[in-house]
Amino acid sequence: AQKITQTQPGMFVQEKEAVTLDCTYDTSDQSYGLFWYKQPSSGEMIFLIYQGSYDEQNATEGRYSLNFQKARKSANLVISASQLGDSAMYFCAMRERGEAAGNKLTFGGGTRVLVKP
Amino acid sequence: EAEVAQSPRYKITEKSQAVAFWCDPISGHATLYWYRQILGQGPELLVQFQDESVVDDSQLPKDRFSAERLKGVDSTLKIQPAELGDSAMYLCASRYSGGSGANVLTFGAGSRLTVL
Repeated sequence: AQKITQTQPGMFVQEKEAVTLDCTYDTSDQSYGLFWYKQPSSGEMIFLIYQGSYDEQNATEGRYSLNFQKARKSANLVISASQLGDSAMYFCAMRERGEAAGNKLTFGGGTRVLVKP
Repeated sequence: EAEVAQSPRYKITEKSQAVAFWCDPISGHATLYWYRQILGQGPELLVQFQDESVVDDSQLPKDRFSAERLKGVDSTLKIQPAELGDSAMYLCASRYSGGSGANVLTFGAGSRLTVL
């Protein structure tokens, strides 16, 4: 089974509007971390936001917020007030802290976001 | 701001040739990762180092790929011989291993390989 699933291959969003990117995950570990990265066309992976499995509050970083629903195993990214520079690929990733997982980061397939002026 | 350095940024080679990529992690980051990202897909882990030791190379095609991190600092990923299917972006990342926080992976700009 896929550990990280991003069901939206691509999305259009109007400039200044909000957009939600879906991410579901699969793990039997109790301790894990969830990450979102942005990858513009230049190719570099840029860290956006982190949510720990024991964090009770949803993470926020500027215009980015993470809607963490632990029971549903979902960690959706919300980008508010979209800007043209937000056009990029977005990847959800999970790091399981168990010894077997070895702290590696597993990525989903990504969602391409295109912001329209 | 500290960065993960990678070179070359772009490499074009013919199949059956050898190719090598270099990565210099952020100073003090004991954990180093090599990921491969095929166009349109998410990155997949090839190899993970803790200092100079390999922690996970279960997805590394060992018949043609090798990776080393001899002094626990910079690392080299080699492909010999290259095949058409190796065309991809090769991403290096490093992570601070201490503490109990997020310990975010910081990625380099990547090395884009095209095999003709």
